[in-house]
Amino acid sequence: EDQVTQSPEALRLQEGESSSLNCSYTVSGLRGLFWYRQDPGKGPEFLFTLYSAGEEKEKERLKATLTKKESFLHITAPKPEDSATYLCAVQISGNTPLVFGKGTRLSVIA
Amino acid sequence: SAVISQKPSRDICQRGTSLTIQCQVDSQVTMMFWYRQQPGQSLTLIATANQGSEATYESGFVIDKFPISRPNLTFSTLTVSNMSPEDSSIYLCSAKSGQGGYEQYFGPGTRLTVT
Repeated sequence: EDQVTQSPEALRLQEGESSSLNCSYTVSGLRGLFWYRQDPGKGPEFLFTLYSAGEEKEKERLKATLTKKESFLHITAPKPEDSATYLCAVQISGNTPLVFGKGTRLSVIA
Repeated sequence: SAVISQKPSRDICQRGTSLTIQCQVDSQVTMMFWYRQQPGQSLTLIATANQGSEATYESGFVIDKFPISRPNLTFSTLTVSNMSPEDSSIYLCSAKSGQGGYEQYFGPGTRLTVT
């Protein structure tokens, strides 16, 4: 069964304290791995898609990396506005639905 | 990217009634999806809305309870029928464009409370 596991469930950081979120997956094949940010009461906001092991993408303080078994979302010098739930999802083929993890709830304290 | 809007943004409904949620995309998309997100939980796919044919439902979701329409490439509706308090949730519309990449975008969600 295709499975996506995110850790930790919750993470509390001081402003400026860099850290990483993990997304590990067990799937029959990987077409793409997606990262989303979700603020309370809002829909998920697309951040990155990674397609192959070794690929990296960056956006402001966020950098996503991908290996054959997991992805990391690195947050460098976070600010309170980075507080949100970060969701990871995988797609097995071009027309199959995304399989989501349960998310990591990030709190950044000033 | 695709910009997705949903109506209503929230509603409070009585048990036994039905609510139809509308989803509008600002461009033509190949695939549209409906998800449910219960409080503190991740997203669960309800169905894939197919243009011009019946929706494809995931295990545990049936057409009689969640009828879906998709009359064209930019619009879809989800109806939650004969509601019970267990249907209280956020319902999210999502769309994927076939043009370059496989990015999938989400609407802002409809927060439904059933009393």
